[in-house]
Amino acid sequence: DQQVKQNSPSLSVQEGRISILNCDYTNSMFDYFLWYKKYPAEGPTFLISISSIKDKNEDGRFTVFLNKSAKHLSLHIVPSQPGDSAVYFCAASGGGNKLVFGAGTILRVKS
Amino acid sequence: NAGVMQNPRHLVRRRGQEARLRCSPMKGHSHVYWYRQLPEEGLKFMVYLQKENIIDESGMPKERFSAEFPKEGPSILRIQQVVRGDSAAYFCASSPRLAGGGLGEQYFGPGTRLTVT
Repeated sequence: DQQVKQNSPSLSVQEGRISILNCDYTNSMFDYFLWYKKYPAEGPTFLISISSIKDKNEDGRFTVFLNKSAKHLSLHIVPSQPGDSAVYFCAASGGGNKLVFGAGTILRVKS
Repeated sequence: NAGVMQNPRHLVRRRGQEARLRCSPMKGHSHVYWYRQLPEEGLKFMVYLQKENIIDESGMPKERFSAEFPKEGPSILRIQQVVRGDSAAYFCASSPRLAGGGLGEQYFGPGTRLTVT
């Protein structure tokens, strides 16, 4: 039972353009959402988060949007850089401390 | 300012042996989480511990797996009588207790890659 879904296994974007990574969830109890970035042979690195009381959070080149009615969130990276190439995981939590992760999206930024 | 430390980074065990994975949280963090990542999948929660207490072990397999976080020393994830299906990357994360009582973000270690032959 996948409660957090990242339906695009991979995404390829030209350097300087916008990268949009999408995530859907099914559990209405989730109230906190996070994005992590992961390089091969390393642990996930926290990028940005958003609480369910907000619909947008911005940090530099990274912006996360939350649409609660659609149970959908997205991560925008602009402008995209080659160093952004990695696997991006969406994660959610609700009322507890454990994170529920999506399967990840591989982002490739071409120079 | 060391991050979350995990050792060993790679561990090879034969079927039936025991695997011990260690995790030292970031300085000042008293909350530890273990996750497992199978190939082509996201991370799956296993267990959440505070010092000397297991808070949530809802993701732990019922048999052969155990975890502890003693008063002194690292957190240990122990897998007895390993089978091939235990081959995965095991990640530890830690978080601080915030002034308001909530928990801060989870910061992950580099993982231990367990291979069962």
